[in-house]
Amino acid sequence: SQKIEQNSEALNIQEGKTATLTCNYTNYSPAYLQWYRQDPGRGPVFLLLIRENEKEKRKERLKVTFDTTLKQSLFHITASQPADSATYLCALDTGGFKTIFGAGTRLFVKA
Amino acid sequence: DSGVTQTPKHLITATGQRVTLRCSPRSGDLSVYWYQQSLDQGLQFLIQYYNGEERAKGNILERFSAQQFPDLHSELNLSSLELGDSALYFCASSATSSGVHNEQFFGPGTRLTVL
Repeated sequence: SQKIEQNSEALNIQEGKTATLTCNYTNYSPAYLQWYRQDPGRGPVFLLLIRENEKEKRKERLKVTFDTTLKQSLFHITASQPADSATYLCALDTGGFKTIFGAGTRLFVKA
Repeated sequence: DSGVTQTPKHLITATGQRVTLRCSPRSGDLSVYWYQQSLDQGLQFLIQYYNGEERAKGNILERFSAQQFPDLHSELNLSSLELGDSALYFCASSATSSGVHNEQFFGPGTRLTVL
């Protein structure tokens, strides 16, 4: 069956370090993949979209990679700050118009 | 502020009841998506409408239905409510018919509690 996996355990890092979050998928061939940030009790907020023919995408301190061979996307936050603490969700298309979200990885950045 | 509005913010009701959740998309967006988020299930796609027509369906129960009106606002109707329907319900909108090709803008959500 189709599956998206994100690190279920929370990620704890020190301020100033780089956070790396993983999104793995099976039985999909998505043409696009997105990353969202979600704070407790609030709606997800779009961060980045990467296409299958793009290996890497950057936006300020954020970087996303997309490896269609490994069926994996990595999401990096450089020079992390306590304000980056949140849950990060990956989302991809399953063909057609459906968007499937991963369960998310909780990131804690300690000052 | 994403520009997507949802009402009500909180809803408390009893099992067996019926409720309606309302969503107004961002100005100019034609697509509306509904998601359910519970602690053990994550964000689950329910249904998408594009310019008034159903475009995609996810794991939406038969007790649930939705529609998008000519002014593009959407309503999600939940009936014969069960305890397990307690969750956050999010509405999102996007400019085009394909949510993954373009970013989705999420509303603040409606927290439904079924007692």
